[in-house]
Amino acid sequence: AQSVTQPDIHITVSEGASLELRCNYSYGATPYLFWYVQSPGQGLQLLLKYFSGDTLVQGIKGFEAEFKRSQSSFNLRKPSVHWSDAAEYFCAVGAVETNAGKSTFGDGTTLTVKP
Amino acid sequence: EAQVTQNPRYLITVTGKKLTVTCSQNMNHEYMSWYRQDPGLGLRQIYYSMNVEVTDKGDVPEGYKVSRKEKRNFPLILESPSPNQTSLYFCASSPRGAGNPPLHFGNGTRLTVT
Repeated sequence: AQSVTQPDIHITVSEGASLELRCNYSYGATPYLFWYVQSPGQGLQLLLKYFSGDTLVQGIKGFEAEFKRSQSSFNLRKPSVHWSDAAEYFCAVGAVETNAGKSTFGDGTTLTVKP
Repeated sequence: EAQVTQNPRYLITVTGKKLTVTCSQNMNHEYMSWYRQDPGLGLRQIYYSMNVEVTDKGDVPEGYKVSRKEKRNFPLILESPSPNQTSLYFCASSPRGAGNPPLHFGNGTRLTVT
């Protein structure tokens, strides 16, 4: 069964500092991996996704993530955090098989940005 | 504008009173899915549909039904709601081959069952 672990429930960083949010997954083959952001009262917005190829993926809002198969990780990074990045972040994994529709989300990491 | 539309945004009901939450997408996507979000539990998949007339269970399907008679619509039905179904619900969609989890989410429906 596929699973996703986001080890950090809550992270606080200062504005302008770098950010790394951790995500570890469990899946039997090469997975689809996604990062989403959710602002209060809003739906989820896709930040970036990994299907195959280059293991460093660029997303929107200056975010990037690196797929490391050996560590079963897909950590999200941003070099300089802005106050508007304060939100909840979700990592998710999906099946690669053509007919697979199941998806699994982590429990989320809440990001607080200090001025 | 490409979007996934859920209705209603807020719903308060009583135990046992059947309800339907509608979901519609205007992007001609094959894949649609329903999730519930509860504090500290992330999003859990309820049901998904790979195409018209094709539906399958996610991780938490008990107490829910879905149907996919048209490509654009994927309603979530609670035949006899119970208080443990109080939650924030999201509908989502993706085109075929784009991978799951989905690319587009609705704005959510907050359901309270008393």
